[in-house]
Parts: sequence; structure tokens; C-alpha cells
Amino acid sequence: NAGVTQTPKFRVLKTGQSMTLLCAQDMNHEYMYWYRQDPGMGLRLIHYSVGEGTTAKGEVPDGYNVSRLKKQNFLLGLESAAPSQTSVYFCASSYERGRELAKNIQYFGAGTRLSVL
Amino acid sequence: AQKVTQAQTEISVVEKEDVTLDCVYETRDTTYYLFWYKQPPSGELVFLIRRNSFDEQNEISGRYSWNFQKSTSSFNFTITASQVVDSAVYFCALTGTTSGTYKYIFGTGTRLKVLA
Repeated sequence: NAGVTQTPKFRVLKTGQSMTLLCAQDMNHEYMYWYRQDPGMGLRLIHYSVGEGTTAKGEVPDGYNVSRLKKQNFLLGLESAAPSQTSVYFCASSYERGRELAKNIQYFGAGTRLSVL
Repeated sequence: AQKVTQAQTEISVVEKEDVTLDCVYETRDTTYYLFWYKQPPSGELVFLIRRNSFDEQNEISGRYSWNFQKSTSSFNFTITASQVVDSAVYFCALTGTTSGTYKYIFGTGTRLKVLA
């Protein structure tokens, strides 16, 4: 059981380049999330999704777009990367229908380390 | 506003010492949940525990214990007889009806170094 898988693990971009981070989960979870982790700031929510075809903005959405075309996948896009987007990105998922008591326990991927030069 | 404060940025202890990681939270919600996650050097966040606002019972799991006190808005985490494998960054998180029951507010984390 892989849980939450993020690809790629590392990436270096030049300012202005675009890229997509892929998150896949095999736990049949309804909810998925993208966070960024910066030194001294903990994890901050970028975007999230409460179901296939739905997305919503989190705390720090600017400069990012997301899509959830399939229940198991949640994509995070950077259209024009900036040095301020250098960070570690985490994907998480939660809530398998029928397991309401565990609804808000999030399970995380291993992260993607992104550097924008 | 909801907020989680982990005032200890970094703690170093010698193996076998006990250590307590502090977590103080702010919320106006009546119903809320608190969490602890561990982030080892490998990077992924690992779920440790969840507590809801109606359950102030302390919990012990092996060398780990958690003290939830609503009167002081704290949810502290103690590791007894620490080991090198406990070295990690530990995050406290909060979710409640204001943020949506599925969105976390994280503290800034406490880096624990256990020295052999």
C-alpha cells in the first residue's frame, strides 16, 4: 500500500519556467491538499480539494493552480516560477467514505523539494 | 482567529532524557481537533495522535504521552527515555469548524535532537 506518492522528489527550475507536481493516493480518499513548507513557518495550505472535479484556495494560493480530474490524483501547477516559490511541497489526503471517525486525519507524501533560480 | 504556537524552535537532549514539546493553541470553536505529527530526516510527516476538544483524557503510547489541558489551551507532548530515533521535527496542528474540519493550522514545528 503506497499511500500518498509525490513526483518528482526534486526539481530545479529557472525563473519563469513552468512545471507540474503530481500527487497520487491509493487510499480512496475524498479530500486532498497541497502545502508548502518553509523554514520557520511550518506548513501552509496552498489549495485543497474535497472531491473529484472540485478545488478551493487555501492560505497561500497565489502563483499556483491545481486540478483534480481523477479522484486519486491532485496536480499542482506553477505557470511562471519565481524564486519565492523555492520550498518543499507536500501533498496530503484524508477521508475514506464510511470511516467518518477518521475523516480529518491527513496522510502525507514524502515531499517535493523545488528550487527556483 | 485560529493559531498554533510552538515556542520551542529547537531542543537538544541526551539519550534517555525525558523531553516535553509544548503546543499552545487559540480557537473560538467549541469543537476542534488537535494533532501531533513527526517529520523524521527522511521528510514525510507521520501522524502520531489526534485529540478532540471534548476529550481531555491524557494518553500514553509506549514512550510517548500527551497532556491536553483546555484551561491553558495546551496540548503538550512528552517523550520518555528519548532515543536517537526520536530526532525529528514535530508539528502540532489544529482544525475546527472555523477553518473547516479538514483544513489544518500548523505550528512552526520543534526540531528535537537526541544525542547519543
